Amino acid sequence: GAGVSQSPSNKVTEKGKDVELRCDPISGHTALYWYRQSLGQGLEFLIYFQGNSAPDKSGLPSDRFSAERTGGSVSTLTIQRTQQEDSAVYLCASSLEDAPGYFGPGTRLTVL
Amino acid sequence: AQSVTQPDIHITVSEGASLELRCNYSYGATPYLFWYVQSPGQGLQLLLKYFSGDTLVQGIKGFEAEFKRSQSSFNLRKPSVHWSDAAEYFCAGGTSYGKLTFGQGTILTVHP
Repeated sequence: GAGVSQSPSNKVTEKGKDVELRCDPISGHTALYWYRQSLGQGLEFLIYFQGNSAPDKSGLPSDRFSAERTGGSVSTLTIQRTQQEDSAVYLCASSLEDAPGYFGPGTRLTVL
Repeated sequence: AQSVTQPDIHITVSEGASLELRCNYSYGATPYLFWYVQSPGQGLQLLLKYFSGDTLVQGIKGFEAEFKRSQSSFNLRKPSVHWSDAAEYFCAGGTSYGKLTFGQGTILTVHP
């Protein structure tokens, strides 16, 4: 595809369940970023990948959050035992080497 | 603490008028600085970026921004606004490419 794609576009889950969010970056982009956007907190950095390694995962809010990237392409963000404060739009972005240039449409996560 | 501040939550301009959106940063050293736009129903798009060198940066869609170290500012400007420029604009900064701190955003309304 031409841009960054994310799936699902919407996810409603119950408190305590695990969720997986997927990001397909632009082909050939080595850098991949996860951010989240919520009304109260604005845009927050979560984690950044260069290739398959994560030089900076300092933004992950707790150990319930994890992310991986395989084959230098697709990335999955996993949230275990979801809480209501996890509700947000989770954004993925990719770039060739520097700052996030292309963001996907996001996954809207609602935790009931 | 490192921060990016956008003092104006909402700005309204008439079509054809000039535009300036304010951004102030607080970092120990000169950060990388960015402006993004988020149109309704669209993903975040990078407008322009400043890493070093020339303090006047040209971006896409006719936007430019000027880095002023003495004022810790990186204001976004456009000489003549079009109705399609109505969107939310985010200033962001960071000392590495991956981890950016975003401002709270400025909503731009354009009157015909």
